[in-house]
Amino acid sequence: DADVTQTPRNRITKTGKRIMLECSQTKGHDRMYWYRQDPGLGLRLIYYSFDVKDINKGEISDGYSVSRQAQAKFSLSLESAIPNQTALYFCATSETGTGDNQPQHFGDGTRLSIL
Amino acid sequence: GDSVTQMEGPVTLSEEAFLTINCTYTATGYPSLFWYVQYPGEGLQLLLKATKADDKGSNKGFEATYRKETTSFHLEKGSVQVSDSAVYFCALSVNTGGFKTIFGAGTRLFVKA
Repeated sequence: DADVTQTPRNRITKTGKRIMLECSQTKGHDRMYWYRQDPGLGLRLIYYSFDVKDINKGEISDGYSVSRQAQAKFSLSLESAIPNQTALYFCATSETGTGDNQPQHFGDGTRLSIL
Repeated sequence: GDSVTQMEGPVTLSEEAFLTINCTYTATGYPSLFWYVQYPGEGLQLLLKATKADDKGSNKGFEATYRKETTSFHLEKGSVQVSDSAVYFCALSVNTGGFKTIFGAGTRLFVKA
């Protein structure tokens, strides 16, 4: 979905480095999410934010942090990368709706390799 | 806890064959259910959704019905095309004691001409 842009698309780095993945959106959605995708495990939620001043941990937040700089921007940081954080990372957005019936709109992903 | 289980792949079909990908879930509260599709090198795209029991979601010839009694949301298509080759994810969202979105592991579909 071109309305959700992730940078970089690919990154190779070394153990112990600090890494930031960035996400920006032009959809005007309040809600933003970060996931990681591993083969055979589907997507797992790392962090989510329902508005600019709201940050919540997801299923697998250890080793990650996030910053919601504006409605349109949500960045994910790995303070000290380790090899088992090698994965495909996705940012997503959704509208605020009734209950949780709003679908999510995904970026094209960042492939991160940690050596 | 909340979970989504979908059939393992890969599923290989010939063009125009009937497709079923099974999905069952466990959830506290009343989840919304989704099917997403992922093409190579891309993010997930919503295929269809259903937000309450007995709702049927449909899009591009795909259908799925929210079955509360069997806690299922199976994806079906009557006649697949080569262009349907992708990975399909079943997912639920629920906000009971905190927001959760849970994805199944994904099912890869190959359609042969």
